[in-house]
Amino acid sequence: AQSVTQPDIHITVSEGASLELRCNYSYGATPYLFWYVQSPGQGLQLLLKYFSGDTLVQGIKGFEAEFKRSQSSFNLRKPSVHWSDAAEYFCAGTGGGNKLTFGTGTQLKVEL
Amino acid sequence: EAGVAQSPRYKIIEKRQSVAFWCNPISGHATLYWYQQILGQGPKLLIQFQNNGVVDDSQLPKDRFSAERLKGVDSTLKIQPAKLEDSAVYLCASSLEVYNEQFFGPGTRLTVL
Repeated sequence: AQSVTQPDIHITVSEGASLELRCNYSYGATPYLFWYVQSPGQGLQLLLKYFSGDTLVQGIKGFEAEFKRSQSSFNLRKPSVHWSDAAEYFCAGTGGGNKLTFGTGTQLKVEL
Repeated sequence: EAGVAQSPRYKIIEKRQSVAFWCNPISGHATLYWYQQILGQGPKLLIQFQNNGVVDDSQLPKDRFSAERLKGVDSTLKIQPAKLEDSAVYLCASSLEVYNEQFFGPGTRLTVL
């Protein structure tokens, strides 16, 4: 089945440290991939998206993600985390259709 | 530009009662989606509209859930009767067209007691 997997349920990092959140996908064709962030009581906000082209994608709030076909991964990175980045992060994908499938999410905690 | 609006933000009901949620998408967005997000899980698509027609409702429990999008703008999602396992956040999203970026509303948190 076509899907995305986020292997880490919780991640804790210190403020100022670098961050990498993992996402693996399972699609036959080149997928459309997304990262969303959800703060408590809020809807989902799109951080970045990959459709095709350059495999390193820049997003908002200083986030970036790299599409690696050989590893079926689309990991989210940030060089220096801020306390306000604490939230839940969702990887999502679609295999060329429009039906978006979400991962189970990674809860990020930032230690001051 | 106004975002996706949803109401109510919170709702608590007893099991077997009915409940309705309302969504107003971003102006001009032809595609509207309803998602169910159970605690600890990612959102799951319940139904997708293109204008006022249903594109995908394969994961909508049709024995108790119904949704409509009259006039291709606002939409309502109804649950009747509610079960305990319907406790979740119900998210509405919209996009200009199919295959475009989806914009999400703040959601309605439903608690079924």
